[in-house]
Amino acid sequence: DARVTQTPRHKVTEMGQEVTMRCQPILGHNTVFWYRQTMMQGLELLAYFRNRAPLDDSGMPKDRFSAEMPDATLATLKIQPSEPRDSAVYFCASGLVHASPGFYNEQFFGPGTRLTVL
Amino acid sequence: LAKTTQPISMDSYEGQEVNITCSHNNIATNDYITWYQQFPSQGPRFIIQGYKTKVTNEVASLFIPADRKSSTLSLPRVSLSDTAVYYCLVGDKAGGGNKLTFGTGTQLKVEL
Repeated sequence: DARVTQTPRHKVTEMGQEVTMRCQPILGHNTVFWYRQTMMQGLELLAYFRNRAPLDDSGMPKDRFSAEMPDATLATLKIQPSEPRDSAVYFCASGLVHASPGFYNEQFFGPGTRLTVL
Repeated sequence: LAKTTQPISMDSYEGQEVNITCSHNNIATNDYITWYQQFPSQGPRFIIQGYKTKVTNEVASLFIPADRKSSTLSLPRVSLSDTAVYYCLVGDKAGGGNKLTFGTGTQLKVEL
């Protein structure tokens, strides 16, 4: 049963520290998404990649967040420096998305990384 | 950026049919509408997806009117285990069709 895996599952850090979250998408999926979930804002799309190329990262604070896919089996989301307002659950999702005829939105979500910035 | 809205919460009893509506006025022409279910401490899980009219699978039905500015997820004969938060997901025309927007989520509570 193929699944998206995320590490770490929980992270507690202090303000100003660098945080790196990792995601292993399902083998064969061509699109990886990063989301943030908070009580106040709900689920927000931060960035996504197709075939490892960034398609949209307009949801990310550019000055402190960065997302990369060094290879097809690994996606990373980094926050540097972290701030208390970054505390949230960060989800990675992967999917097989077709550009035509439309955007096929079935995504498979990982269990999330719960980040607490003190 | 367009907002995708849903009722905050709904209550139901076991065995009843539940209909949850999502409003998405700025849906892009080629975008699909997808619904997800989320339990506490888990990632969302795919339920159903459609483009127009009606789609049915083994767990739900999805009704989409001709103008596609809304959609309704229908859960037949709910049980206690259907207690969860339900989200719709659509593309956003304001973002050029490439901005995915989750709805605000509907907390469904099913009681005996």
